[in-house]
Amino acid sequence: DAGVIQSPRHEVTEMGQEVTLRCKPISGHNSLFWYRQTMMRGLELLIYFNNNVPIDDSGMPEDRFSAKMPNASFSTLKIQPSEPRDSAVYFCASSLIPQASPLHFGNGTRLTVT
Amino acid sequence: RKEVEQDPGPFNVPEGATVAFNCTYSNSASQSFFWYRQDCRKEPKLLMSVYSSGNEDGRFTAQLNRASQYISLLIRDSKLSDSATYLCVVNEKTSYDKVIFGPGTSLSVIP
Repeated sequence: DAGVIQSPRHEVTEMGQEVTLRCKPISGHNSLFWYRQTMMRGLELLIYFNNNVPIDDSGMPEDRFSAKMPNASFSTLKIQPSEPRDSAVYFCASSLIPQASPLHFGNGTRLTVT
Repeated sequence: RKEVEQDPGPFNVPEGATVAFNCTYSNSASQSFFWYRQDCRKEPKLLMSVYSSGNEDGRFTAQLNRASQYISLLIRDSKLSDSATYLCVVNEKTSYDKVIFGPGTSLSVIP
């Protein structure tokens, strides 16, 4: 089992640029989560997909953030335009059935916006 | 009131000590509970699930008190390698399955 795979591991970009983060969930998992973590705010849920459908996107900060899940094996989180306050570690996690199944996290993408 | 709250920490304990963390949750309809561990600059990883009857895994014991809406994690004979942040996680069944992470409690085990 390869686990949840995220790319890139690190991203450094300039303010105003578009950033795309990628995630491949564990095969067979039907739920996917995007989280953001900073020292100040801890771990924040951005969006949750179930069977490729966005179920809860109330954590998406603003219109600059968008997420897609075109199929069961791939998801993207896009920030356009990026701002310095978006600097954080972004985690993707997947689960089989959230209710009784724990989340498995990817290694995260460390984003720095200068 | 926050949905999931934890001891603020940090906890600094000597090797060999016993340390306990508590976590409270606000929704009585919460159905599944977990403890995760997160090392510095790493992703959170499942430490153990928490069952109604309580469960033990080596030096770690988790307990659930539904009446008081809290869960606990006990670590016996602390090791240096136990130093990490411990996150309490609660699954709620609302209109959908909602996973809520607590803010975490930092543990440092000192030689």
